[in-house]
Amino acid sequence: NAGVTQTPKFRVLKTGQSMTLLCAQDMNHEYMYWYRQDPGMGLRLIHYSVGEGTTAKGEVPDGYNVSRLKKQNFLLGLESAAPSQTSVYFCASTSGRQPQHFGDGTRLSIL
Amino acid sequence: SQELEQSPQSLIVQEGKNLTINCTSSKTLYGLYWYKQKYGEGLIFLMMLQKGGEEKSHEKITAKLDEKKQQSSLHITASQPSHAGIYLCGAAEPRNSGTYKYIFGTGTRLKVLA
Repeated sequence: NAGVTQTPKFRVLKTGQSMTLLCAQDMNHEYMYWYRQDPGMGLRLIHYSVGEGTTAKGEVPDGYNVSRLKKQNFLLGLESAAPSQTSVYFCASTSGRQPQHFGDGTRLSIL
Repeated sequence: SQELEQSPQSLIVQEGKNLTINCTSSKTLYGLYWYKQKYGEGLIFLMMLQKGGEEKSHEKITAKLDEKKQQSSLHITASQPSHAGIYLCGAAEPRNSGTYKYIFGTGTRLKVLA
């Protein structure tokens, strides 16, 4: 079972460039999440989705946009990358008040 | 809103030693999850505790949730280098909308010396 798959695994961007991170899950989960993980800050929720076609802001949504056009996919976009967005990004999914399943992360560096 | 505080922040132990990591919540926990993260990888789910006084074990790792459901501990017996990593506790906080908000502690970094 693939579980939660994130692409790409690594990426280096220049300030001002844009990119999209893709998260795909094959467990038919309703809920999907995007987090960023920074040293000393723990996991911080960027955006989340409670179902296909829905999205909502988390605690650190500025500078990011998301879309959930298909139930199995949750996309995270950076329109104009900034050095402060250098981080490790994790996608997670769950079916409710159950443990989240996480992807392996995307390491993003903004120069 | 609910917060999870973990202690210690980091831990270095000699192989074979026992250790305990704690997770304390500012509110009653509806469900408490323990995850492990190795460097460069995602979070791996270890155990979920839901009932006050509940205790679960998997191999040499035991997790407990206190009766008041505000504190959980993760105990590793006879630690091995394979136990090294970051341990995070997480909880699901109900929202008014009927969905759940997931929160996490800041993690405990464990190093086991061979």
